[in-house]
Amino acid sequence: NAGVMQNPRHLVRRRGQEARLRCSPMKGHSHVYWYRQLPEEGLKFMVYLQKENIIDESGMPKERFSAEFPKEGPSILRIQQVVRGDSAAYFCASSRSGQGSTGELFFGEGSRLTVL
Amino acid sequence: DAKTTQPPSMDCAEGRAANLPCNHSTISGNEYVYWYRQIHSQGPQYIIHGLKNNETNEMASLIITEDRKSSTLILPHATLRDTAVYYCIVRGSNTGNQFYFGTGTSLTVIP
Repeated sequence: NAGVMQNPRHLVRRRGQEARLRCSPMKGHSHVYWYRQLPEEGLKFMVYLQKENIIDESGMPKERFSAEFPKEGPSILRIQQVVRGDSAAYFCASSRSGQGSTGELFFGEGSRLTVL
Repeated sequence: DAKTTQPPSMDCAEGRAANLPCNHSTISGNEYVYWYRQIHSQGPQYIIHGLKNNETNEMASLIITEDRKSSTLILPHATLRDTAVYYCIVRGSNTGNQFYFGTGTSLTVIP
């Protein structure tokens, strides 16, 4: 029973390039969450998605960042025109259900983005 | 935003119980208390959660005060591998109530 799978584990981009981070939730999970962790800081919530829907994107920067969770395939976090301040670890988590659920989140091992 | 207060760091001797406190004085009736930990920049790991009764699993025990304004995570026999940042989170059971991580407690288990 594979856990939450994230790839790539490490990604290096130059300023102005695009970064795409992928997350495959655990089997049977239809809820995906993305978090960002800057060096020496805690995890910051970015976005919560269900299949084909963005439920809460209150933590997403207003520009350059977008996320999707299509009907088929992994969830994608996309960062356009990356800047050095985007260098961070990006963690994805999944859960089985949402409303009325007390279910815990299961996290992947993260994707570490370095912007040169 | 995080609704909890935790000490920034603690030490514990190996083999002893580690007691990690958390204050959540504004917790509401439908909010659960969750504990996660993050070992050296790995993905956070779920430990335990509870509403108002004390809970125990193979990893830890969770003691919640009667007024639910604070709780304690207990690792009964700390090992060096328990060195991590421990996060206490309160979250409602409704859709849209996300897990907001604060700064946590950095626990160091000392040989």
